[in-house]
Amino acid sequence: AQSVTQPDIHITVSEGASLELRCNYSYGATPYLFWYVQSPGQGLQLLLKYFSGDTLVQGIKGFEAEFKRSQSSFNLRKPSVHWSDAAEYFCAPAVYNQGGKLIFGQGTELSVKP
Amino acid sequence: DTGVSQDPRHKITKRGQNVTFRCDPISEHNRLYWYRQTLGQGPEFLTYFQNEAQLEKSRLLSDRFSAERPKGSFSTLEIQRTEQGDSAMYLCASSRNEVYYGYTFGSGTRLTVV
Repeated sequence: AQSVTQPDIHITVSEGASLELRCNYSYGATPYLFWYVQSPGQGLQLLLKYFSGDTLVQGIKGFEAEFKRSQSSFNLRKPSVHWSDAAEYFCAPAVYNQGGKLIFGQGTELSVKP
Repeated sequence: DTGVSQDPRHKITKRGQNVTFRCDPISEHNRLYWYRQTLGQGPEFLTYFQNEAQLEKSRLLSDRFSAERPKGSFSTLEIQRTEQGDSAMYLCASSRNEVYYGYTFGSGTRLTVV
């Protein structure tokens, strides 16, 4: 069965520290891969996506993610976290032959310490 | 591009009442998706439309839920005989046909059933 796992429910980092949020998926083929961010009470905003080609992709707000086929992972990173990055982060694979339907992970809540 | 609009933002209803939510997608987007999100969870797929055709409906969606997208423009999601378990954020998203572009989400409708 297709599934996506975000192992970390909640992460706290200090402002200025680096960040890595983990995402693992289980699909029959390599899906399209997306990371979304959600601020409290808001909808979701697309951070970045992987389709094919270069396995290191850049997104908005200084985020990047690396696709590793051998590990079925698509981890999100940021070199230096800002207080405004505190939010919920969702990894979401999509399969093109299923209407491009996104399947969301449980999410990782990021808190930022001053 | 005016984004995806959802109305209302908040809805409080008594158990057993019917409620209807509206979603206005980005005008050039052919696909429209409905998701439900409960506290601490990722969005859960409900249904999606390609133009006016409803192409998939989640098995988790009871018969009390119905969605329409007349003329392939705006969409409505109706819940009949609401239950307390229906309390959640209902998110609408739209996209182009190509999965690569990802979704644009609305800000959601928060439903509280009392």
